[in-house]
Amino acid sequence: GAVVSQHPSWVICKSGTSVKIECRSLDFQATTMFWYRQFPKQSLMLMATSNEGSKATYEQGVEKDKFLINHASLTLSTLTVTSAHPEDSSFYICSAGRTGTYEQYFGPGTRLTVT
Amino acid sequence: AQRVTQPEKLLSVFKGAPVELKCNYSYSGSPELFWYVQYSRQRLQLLLRHISRESIKGFTADLNKGETSFHLKKPFAQEEDSAMYYCALSLYGQNFVFGPGTRLSVLP
Repeated sequence: GAVVSQHPSWVICKSGTSVKIECRSLDFQATTMFWYRQFPKQSLMLMATSNEGSKATYEQGVEKDKFLINHASLTLSTLTVTSAHPEDSSFYICSAGRTGTYEQYFGPGTRLTVT
Repeated sequence: AQRVTQPEKLLSVFKGAPVELKCNYSYSGSPELFWYVQYSRQRLQLLLRHISRESIKGFTADLNKGETSFHLKKPFAQEEDSAMYYCALSLYGQNFVFGPGTRLSVLP
């Protein structure tokens, strides 16, 4: 149990366009989902925490107007990278926290390349 | 601000040798401490957390509040332990902060 999926697994988009990444908890309800960014050979950097039905909490330095997060249900959170630029190219990973525990379960990640 | 450090980027040991992956943290409160592991071409997964005080795959980790450390240990390393290991902390299941990671390579 506790499987988290991400879609797409990789995406290439042109500068100036927007791209949406989905994160789903497949077999459990997740009141909290986390979005991370990972640069090559670096650690995960928490971008934002989203709680179902409320606005996401963004970490310092993360532009909330650029990285739109929606957590409309207990099994789905989306990250939309708006007006993408090449510097937004990265590996984006989501995780979902099972209600009532401190554990989080990670998705496989989405590799975004902006040309 | 909370911070997690892992001084070794790469740690190589021979099969059967003891292994210790170091982790230190800075946080003024009482955070939850975790070790996550990422095997080749797999997603990140929880290895263990300090509040459960359990041993997973032969690994243990003791929280030392005086030294603000949470080192991961295993008495006899196996080749299948080769992976990337991340130490992380959180407060009340939020605000997760990950260390830079240590790549463990267990040599035959």
